[in-house]
Amino acid sequence: RKEVEQDPGPFNVPEGATVAFNCTYSNSASQSFFWYRQDCRKEPKLLMSVYSSGNEDGRFTAQLNRASQYISLLIRDSKLSDSATYLCVVSYTGGFKTIFGAGTRLFVKA
Amino acid sequence: DVKVTQSSRYLVKRTGEKVFLECVQDMDHENMFWYRQDPGLGLRLIYFSYDVKMKEKGDIPEGYSVSREKKERFSLILESASTNQTSMYLCASRVGFNAEAFFGQGTRLTVV
Repeated sequence: RKEVEQDPGPFNVPEGATVAFNCTYSNSASQSFFWYRQDCRKEPKLLMSVYSSGNEDGRFTAQLNRASQYISLLIRDSKLSDSATYLCVVSYTGGFKTIFGAGTRLFVKA
Repeated sequence: DVKVTQSSRYLVKRTGEKVFLECVQDMDHENMFWYRQDPGLGLRLIYFSYDVKMKEKGDIPEGYSVSREKKERFSLILESASTNQTSMYLCASRVGFNAEAFFGQGTRLTVV
C-alpha cells in the first residue's frame, strides 16, 4: 500500500464547476500536509499548506481529517487555468521524509 | 524569488556512462533533495541533504550517489547509467522541515 494515495483521475469538469480531490495517508505520525500544483512539463509548485483547522485561499479550500487520515482540496468556480495535476504531500515530524502522492489530473473545459 | 537551477533540461546518455546532474539554489537553504518522477508513481525521493557534506538515502537510492560540497550545490551521480534510470529528475530545496519546497525545472534523462 502506498503511503500517500490519490485518485489519478482525470477529472473533466466544465468551467464554473466545483471539484474536490481527496488524498489518504497511511502513517499516523504525519505532521505537515500540503497541496502542490504541477502544470504539464513544469516543476511542482506549492498551492497551499493544509492546517488542522482547515484553510481557504480564494477559490481553494483545503481540509485535514486526522481521524480518517485524509486531506482534501476543494476548487470552486473552476477556471480553464486550473487545469493541472494536483499533488498531495505529507511530511513527518523530526525527519526529512516528505512523501508525494502520484497526483490527480484535472481538466477544466470551456 | 527563490531560484533552483538544474544544469540541463534534456540529456541523452548511453548505458554504462557516468552521469552528473547538477542543482544550484540561491536562497541559502539547508535542505536539498533529488527526486525522480515517473508516470503513475509520483515523485520518489532518491537522496536528500540537510547540510554541507551531509546526505541521507531516500526511498530509491540504488544506482545513485550524491555530493554536497557547498551549501548551494547538490549533485546527483548515476554511477553507471541504465535504461531503467530513464526518467524526469527534479531537484528541490527548502529552508526547513515545514517549509515550502522549491523545485528546479527538471532534467529529462534518457538512457539508451
